[in-house]
Amino acid sequence: GAVVSQHPSWVICKSGTSVKIECRSLDFQATTMFWYRQFPKQSLMLMATSNEGSKATYEQGVEKDKFLINHASLTLSTLTVTSAHPEDSSFYICSASPVYSNQPQHFGDGTRLSIL
Amino acid sequence: ELKVEQNPLFLSMQEGKNYTIYCNYSTTSDRLYWYRQDPGKSLESLFVLLSNGAVKQEGRLMASLDTKARLSTLHITAAVHDLSATYFCAVDEGTYKYIFGTGTRLKVLA
Repeated sequence: GAVVSQHPSWVICKSGTSVKIECRSLDFQATTMFWYRQFPKQSLMLMATSNEGSKATYEQGVEKDKFLINHASLTLSTLTVTSAHPEDSSFYICSASPVYSNQPQHFGDGTRLSIL
Repeated sequence: ELKVEQNPLFLSMQEGKNYTIYCNYSTTSDRLYWYRQDPGKSLESLFVLLSNGAVKQEGRLMASLDTKARLSTLHITAAVHDLSATYFCAVDEGTYKYIFGTGTRLKVLA
């Protein structure tokens, strides 16, 4: 079945560091991927839609200069948290579904980001 | 703007009991999904509901969708401890963007 892989699964770094998270579709191509953020004991909030070959679409209130998204190929989207601060600590999850299909979104295993 | 609400937010129940979790959404959609999340983990897909009147069952869980009422239910039958988790519904607003419900934290007491 369709698999979405995220890397790394856990990252701890100092304040001011930039952190890159990768989301890969392992056995299908995806023109669109989605990035979500989840704070402890809260729901998933959609951050942005990653579009292959074009600019990402950000949800209201999400800083595009802070959360850089690149979708350079049909199997890889990256989210870079720039100059991370403790308030950026969260669980980040990506999702994707095969292009030209009506399949539901497949979710990655998530990345737990802790900023000290 | 699509809003998705779940009730209850937290549920503590005894093993063997039945209960229903409700998911209400604010705009028209006929694609609704239920997920389970264990602490520290990502989402596990439970049900995909793609039409009005859809009903799906897996083990002790049954989900239904009423698109006219903009309501989905997740019914738990004879709960067991292993069902303890957080359950989310998610609504596809039409562009494969999922808007998640507030989540229901379920704790089944032995």
